[in-house]
Amino acid sequence: ETGVTQTPRHLVMGMTNKKSLKCEQHLGHNAMYWYKQSAKKPLELMFVYNFKEQTENNSVPSRFSPECPNSSHLFLHLHTLQPEDSALYLCASSQDRRGLTEAFFGQGTRLTVV
Amino acid sequence: AQSVTQLDSQVPVFEEAPVELRCNYSSSVSVYLFWYVQYPNQGLQLLLKYLSGSTLVESINGFEAEFNKSQTSFHLRKPSVHISDTAEYFCAVILPGGATNKLIFGTGTLLAVQP
Repeated sequence: ETGVTQTPRHLVMGMTNKKSLKCEQHLGHNAMYWYKQSAKKPLELMFVYNFKEQTENNSVPSRFSPECPNSSHLFLHLHTLQPEDSALYLCASSQDRRGLTEAFFGQGTRLTVV
Repeated sequence: AQSVTQLDSQVPVFEEAPVELRCNYSSSVSVYLFWYVQYPNQGLQLLLKYLSGSTLVESINGFEAEFNKSQTSFHLRKPSVHISDTAEYFCAVILPGGATNKLIFGTGTLLAVQP
């Protein structure tokens, strides 16, 4: 248990569905991240939030919509996804400051788009 | 732009044999370096990190990595592997000084330990 909890662990959705992924951290961190992990590809950083403000959006399609209501919670809203969006979505958090601390990852949500 | 290269996608090794997982990075400035491990159906866990100081860093389960600035490498080694070390290993870098610290990952190396 790393202190970062993701729900659900598995999700199967059709291309016309709307669903949300949830991430919660109990570590007192101020930065939270969404990563996408696809087979044979490096982990792709999708979004970064620092003190609830989005500081990074790596050209992610608008069918992925993040939300960070507070420093402990991060959501990823999904709608009209494509089969190629099937992947493991990982949430991470860190105490982001100059000098750096490590990122702690959740166990991920395995998403399958059918 | 910084990037991370893990040349070996898979490394098969027999139990109790030594192993080295290679990682090279490209950056014109100083970086922070990490190795993360991912066991099946799990998220990533930090294995070890280099921020500054001694170039040789160790983990609690026998892994070590050495930062080599001239070679721009951060290879991971273990003198004797166990079956339980079977997992995917990711090398990552952070370029310090940005607005938010962002981990840039390599493609990962699957360590397959055979009895």
